[in-house]
Amino acid sequence: EVQLVESGGGLVQPGGSLRLSCAASGFTLGSYIMRWVRQAPRKGLEWVATINTDGSEEYYVDSVKGRFTISRDNAKNALYLQMNSLRADDTAVYYCARDANWAFEIWGQGTLVTVSS
Amino acid sequence: QSALTQPPSASGFPGQSVTISCTGTSSDVGGYNHVSWYQHHPGKAPKLMIYEVNKRPSGVPDRFSGSKSASTASLTVSGLQAEDEADYYCGSWGGSNTWVFGGGTKLTVL
Repeated sequence: EVQLVESGGGLVQPGGSLRLSCAASGFTLGSYIMRWVRQAPRKGLEWVATINTDGSEEYYVDSVKGRFTISRDNAKNALYLQMNSLRADDTAVYYCARDANWAFEIWGQGTLVTVSS
Repeated sequence: QSALTQPPSASGFPGQSVTISCTGTSSDVGGYNHVSWYQHHPGKAPKLMIYEVNKRPSGVPDRFSGSKSASTASLTVSGLQAEDEADYYCGSWGGSNTWVFGGGTKLTVL
């Protein structure tokens, strides 16, 4: 079964850091562009970052540029999101998603990140 | 990178049809056919329902259909069923390796 499972969320203070992981199973991660998407409380979805198949290209929404880093380890079938200098408005459920046909084809169930003192 | 505009809510009786709109600009919805729709039951993983404006992934019922006119895309759910009650989001390629989503529409089956 094709599956994505996120982990690493939790409560962190403003200015702190957190590293999210996304474990892929049922397919070869290295064959796909991967993305992170978030949903703040009572808000819509927001694309956060994209990484190409070999990790050589990364793209970010303006609000996280310079603070977040997307990466991948294809040998481990894993995707990551390193989040630094976290702010209250980064509070959200974070989803990893697999790209196909110019869409977000497969999603995980998400991991909650809460930034609060 | 402004969000696409969706109505906050939509509703219909079982068996009826409902259409949800998604309005963007010439820089996203109007400029590309990379428009997709997602069904989200809270607490679960979002599910791709429509991609490239009007294509259905394998396993998605043909009751779901998509279209686009200028900078407005639409998702139509025909023959409404109780399990269709969920939040629906549109998404579009925004050019320059960016993506933009709508604010979501809560579909209620009356």
